[in-house]
Amino acid sequence: NAGVTQTPKFQVLKTGQSMTLQCAQDMNHEYMSWYRQDPGMGLRLIHYSVGAGITDQGEVPNGYNVSRSTTEDFPLRLLSAAPSQTSVYFCASSSYLRGEKLFFGSGTQLSVL
Amino acid sequence: QKEVEQDPGPLSVPEGAIVSLNCTYSNSAFQYFMWYRQYSRKGPELLMYTYSSGNKEDGRFTAQVDKSSKYISLFIRDSQPSDSATYLCAMSARGSGGSNYKLTFGKGTLLTVNP
Repeated sequence: NAGVTQTPKFQVLKTGQSMTLQCAQDMNHEYMSWYRQDPGMGLRLIHYSVGAGITDQGEVPNGYNVSRSTTEDFPLRLLSAAPSQTSVYFCASSSYLRGEKLFFGSGTQLSVL
Repeated sequence: QKEVEQDPGPLSVPEGAIVSLNCTYSNSAFQYFMWYRQYSRKGPELLMYTYSSGNKEDGRFTAQVDKSSKYISLFIRDSQPSDSATYLCAMSARGSGGSNYKLTFGKGTLLTVNP
């Protein structure tokens, strides 16, 4: 049982480059989300989705784009990377009525130079 | 004022100590209260969950909620080196259809238990 799978684990980008962080879950969860975790800032919600075709903004959405074409996949796109986007990114999923139990991926360490 | 406040520590205790971790919140709509544990370089995992005021025990862990004071705590008895991790409190309100998925996290407290 894979749970939530994130790729890549590490990535280095130059300012202005774009990339996509991949996230897939095999638990048939309706809810999926992306967080960034920075020292002293905790986990901050970037974007979330409650089902295929439905996405919404979280606390810190600027500079990021998401789409949800299937239940399983929820990719996060960085449109034009900036040093301020250097962070650890976590994808998480849960069932709609058991939202207290978020399942997290193992994270992506992103550095923007 | 942030919706959820948590002292980031760090907190260092000897093995066997009782540990107390705390969060305060300002949003009266929060009804669900969670504690997540995050080991270094890993994703957080749910440790405790409660939706009522009072205490909930699970082995060496006790979650306490005081809705009147908007204050939650996690107690760890007989702490072990394997408890060394970052502990994050999280809260959510009841949404449409009974959902509770929009979690707001505290900043996390880094705990080290020394052998």
